[in-house]
Amino acid sequence: QKEVEQNSGPLSVPEGAIASLNCTYSDRGSQSFFWYRQYSGKSPELIMFIYSNGDKEDGRFTAQLNKASQYVSLLIRDSQPSDSATYLCAVNQGAQKLVFGQGTRLTINP
Amino acid sequence: EPEVTQTPSHQVTQMGQEVILRCVPISNHLYFYWYRQILGQKVEFLVSFYNNEISEKSEIFDDQFSVERPDGSNFTLKIRSTKLEDSAMYFCASSELAGDPEQYFGPGTRLTVT
Repeated sequence: QKEVEQNSGPLSVPEGAIASLNCTYSDRGSQSFFWYRQYSGKSPELIMFIYSNGDKEDGRFTAQLNKASQYVSLLIRDSQPSDSATYLCAVNQGAQKLVFGQGTRLTINP
Repeated sequence: EPEVTQTPSHQVTQMGQEVILRCVPISNHLYFYWYRQILGQKVEFLVSFYNNEISEKSEIFDDQFSVERPDGSNFTLKIRSTKLEDSAMYFCASSELAGDPEQYFGPGTRLTVT
C-alpha cells in the first residue's frame, strides 16, 4: 500500500511567523504533488502543486519537492489567523488517483 | 470562478436503503472522481470516471457502489444498500485534461446512515 505520511500536529505558530509543513511519500513513481487546505467541516481546497524538484512560490506559499528523499514541504510566510486549518498533502498514484496524507492541523496564534 | 457543486449537502438514511449523491463538475472538465472522508480520517479515493466509463476504482468501491453520468452535466454516486460504515463526507472532484492531475473538489455531501 502506497502511503503518504504527515505529522498530524497540532502545529502552533505565532502570527507573522513561517509555518513549515512536511510530507513524505512511499511511491517513487509519483510525479505530481499537491497541498490542499481543509477548514473544519469543509472540502479540500487546492492551494499549491509541484511537479519538479526544487521550490515553487505562489504568494505567501512555497512548495518544496525532493524526489530523491521522497519529501514534500509547504512553507507559509507571514502566517495569518485565517491560515489556521488542516493541510493535506496529496500525491498522484497512476494517472488519476490522489493518495492523501492524514493532514497536519495548523493553528496560527494572534 | 467555475466550481464543482454537490447535492444534497446532508443526507440521512436508514441502513439498507439506497442513496444517490449528485455532483455537477466544472463544465469543461473531462475527468470526474469520488472521494470519501470518514470523520477524523484521511480523504480516500473511491473511483475515477472518464468518457462514460470507470477508469480506476479502489477496494472500497465494491458492488454496492456505482457511478453514472446520466446527462451532460450531472455525475452521480449510488450506494445500493447503505451500511453504518458508509457514514462519511463524500466529495466529488473534477479535472480538465488527460493526465492533468489538478483536481478541484466540491463542497461535499455528509451521509449519515442510521
